[in-house]
Amino acid sequence: DVKVTQSSRYLVKRTGEKVFLECVQDMDHENMFWYRQDPGLGLRLIYFSYDVKMKEKGDIPEGYSVSREKKERFSLILESASTNQTSMYLCASSAFTGTGGIYSNQPQHFGDGTRLSIL
Amino acid sequence: AQSVTQLGSHVSVSEGALVLLRCNYSSSVPPYLFWYVQYPNQGLQLLLKYTSAATLVKGINGFEAEFKKSETSFHLTKPSAHMSDAAEYFCAVSPRGNKLVFGAGTILRVKS
Repeated sequence: DVKVTQSSRYLVKRTGEKVFLECVQDMDHENMFWYRQDPGLGLRLIYFSYDVKMKEKGDIPEGYSVSREKKERFSLILESASTNQTSMYLCASSAFTGTGGIYSNQPQHFGDGTRLSIL
Repeated sequence: AQSVTQLGSHVSVSEGALVLLRCNYSSSVPPYLFWYVQYPNQGLQLLLKYTSAATLVKGINGFEAEFKKSETSFHLTKPSAHMSDAAEYFCAVSPRGNKLVFGAGTILRVKS
């Protein structure tokens, strides 16, 4: 079965800290995504990656960076955490079909999320 | 820009009643459409997807959705609600070759 694993379910950090959120998928998927989820706003795309060492900005990349050194692992980095980055963070992955673009008709598979609090 | 509108941030139904969760999208071309469900403290799970085959799509747990191009809608239905259906539901659209865009979500409450 498909499995996307996020390293932490809950995380508490202080403002100004550098924060790493890790995500691993075991499906050999090409595409990986980081979203943040806030009440009433749905999911908003932060960054995505379609191959190792490749990345593209999503809708809200400010204050974040990503790293993809291996196909199965996609890391989200908060360079200097701020209180407005307190949120639920969701990682997802999907297969690349070669048609319809990166997002195409292949569903994204999600991890259980990391609830991050910045104090 | 593509957008997804889910009408009603909260929907409440009685157990055994019809579930109807509404989703409208804006897209210049027929998109791919998805419904996801999120149970408390979990990630999103795919319920069903529309990819230009049959307009009536059947998913897991007895849910189905109908793609109506003329109405730009993709409403989610279930004939008889169960207590275990209580969750948050997200509609998402993927215009071909473009980003996946999520609606704001609808929280479904099922009353006994």
